[in-house]
Amino acid sequence: AQSVTQLDSQVPVFEEAPVELRCNYSSSVSVYLFWYVQYPNQGLQLLLKYLSGSTLVKGINGFEAEFNKSQTSFHLRKPSVHISDTAEYFCAVSVKTSYDKVIFGPGTSLSVIP
Amino acid sequence: ETGVTQTPRHLVMGMTNKKSLKCEQHLGHNAMYWYKQSAKKPLELMFVYNFKEQTENNSVPSRFSPECPNSSHLFLHLHTLQPEDSALYLCASSQVSAKVGETQYFGPGTRLLVL
Repeated sequence: AQSVTQLDSQVPVFEEAPVELRCNYSSSVSVYLFWYVQYPNQGLQLLLKYLSGSTLVKGINGFEAEFNKSQTSFHLRKPSVHISDTAEYFCAVSVKTSYDKVIFGPGTSLSVIP
Repeated sequence: ETGVTQTPRHLVMGMTNKKSLKCEQHLGHNAMYWYKQSAKKPLELMFVYNFKEQTENNSVPSRFSPECPNSSHLFLHLHTLQPEDSALYLCASSQVSAKVGETQYFGPGTRLLVL
C-alpha cells in the first residue's frame, strides 16, 4: 500500500530565509509525486509534480522539489521565503487505477515570520 | 466563473437537519471527487465519480449521499449527521485520461459545523 509521511507538522521560518519541507513515501509500484499548497480559507492548488525525467522539478512561486528514489523522498525547497508563503503544504502520491488515486500526507504548516 | 466552485461556503446544521453541498466545475473535466478535511488529519477521500459513474466509495457512512447528475456538477446530500462530521468538505475535479499524474483542481470548500 502507498503512504506519505511529512515529518514536520509545523515549520516556522523567518522571511527571506531558506526552507525545506520534508516528504517521504512508501510504495511498491511506480508513483507520481505532487506538492499542493492550501492558503487560508482556500482549497488546495498544485505547486509542482514529478511524473518522470529530471529528478529536480520546478514549480510555481519559486518552489522546487527533488525526487530521490533511493531515499523515497520528495522534499520541497525554496531559497528565500516571503510572508505570502504562509500556508499548509501537502505532499501526495498518485497511483493509476481506474482513476488517478491520490494519497495525501498529513500536511506541514509553514509560518513565515516577518 | 472559472475553476471549481462550491456552495455554500459555510453551513451550520443540527443533527436532525437535511442539507446539500453543491460543487460545479467549469474546466471540462470528467472526474469529480469529494474529500473531507478535519483538523490534524490527512485529507480523506470520500467519493469519486468518473463520467458520472461512482468508482469509489471509501467506506463512507450512509448519512452522506453523493449525486452526480452530469460531469460538471456534484452534490453531497447530508442527513442525521454527527458532531464529528464537522469539517471542511472539499470538491475536486480532474481529467480522466490514459496519462498518469493528472492534476486535481480543488474548490474552496464548505466549512460544515454540526451542532
